[in-house]
Amino acid sequence: EVQLVESGGGLVQPGRSLRLSCAASGFTFNDYAMHWVRQAPGKGLEWVSGISWNSNSIGYADSVKGRFTISRDNAKNSLYLHINSLRPEDAAFYYCARVGLAGFDYWGQGTLVTVSS
Amino acid sequence: QSVLTQPPSVFGAPGQRVTISCTGSTSNIGAGFDVHWYQQLPRTAPKLLIYGDSNRPSGVPDRFSGSKSGTSASLAITGLQADDEADYYCQSYDSSLSGYVFGTGTKVTVL
Repeated sequence: EVQLVESGGGLVQPGRSLRLSCAASGFTFNDYAMHWVRQAPGKGLEWVSGISWNSNSIGYADSVKGRFTISRDNAKNSLYLHINSLRPEDAAFYYCARVGLAGFDYWGQGTLVTVSS
Repeated sequence: QSVLTQPPSVFGAPGQRVTISCTGSTSNIGAGFDVHWYQQLPRTAPKLLIYGDSNRPSGVPDRFSGSKSGTSASLAITGLQADDEADYYCQSYDSSLSGYVFGTGTKVTVL
């Protein structure tokens, strides 16, 4: 069974940093591209970042470029999102998602990031 | 601000057919990039409903169908059921932004 489990969210002060993790199981992790998508409470989905299976291709939404860094460790079946200089507008549920044949075919349950002093 | 526009809400009675539009531009849907649709039930993660414009993943009922024409795409739900009440999002790739984009989202309410 494919499982994606995010962790690392919590209450963080503005300007601080945070690293989110996504642990993958039930499939060959290094065969798939992975993405992060966020959703502010009560709002819509926003694509954040994506990374190819071998980390050679990486993309970011304009809203996070320069502050967010996506990475993966295929040996550990894990995906990461490092967030610098947190802003109030970064507060959201952060989901990791797998790219299937087309579209994001599996999603984690999300981890909540709250930004407040 | 999303580059894919959806109606905020759609209403239908049980058994009826409803459609959700997703309007983009020549840098995303109109450029031929695939459109995918997701269903998000309350307090859950999104679920892939339609991929590659009109394909259903295994397990998705054939009551759900997708289509694309020009710079727009549509999701149709026939035989509307109470448990179809959810938020629905379209998604595509945008060449101007060099990234993926989601639609603004549509809440389906079963009357």
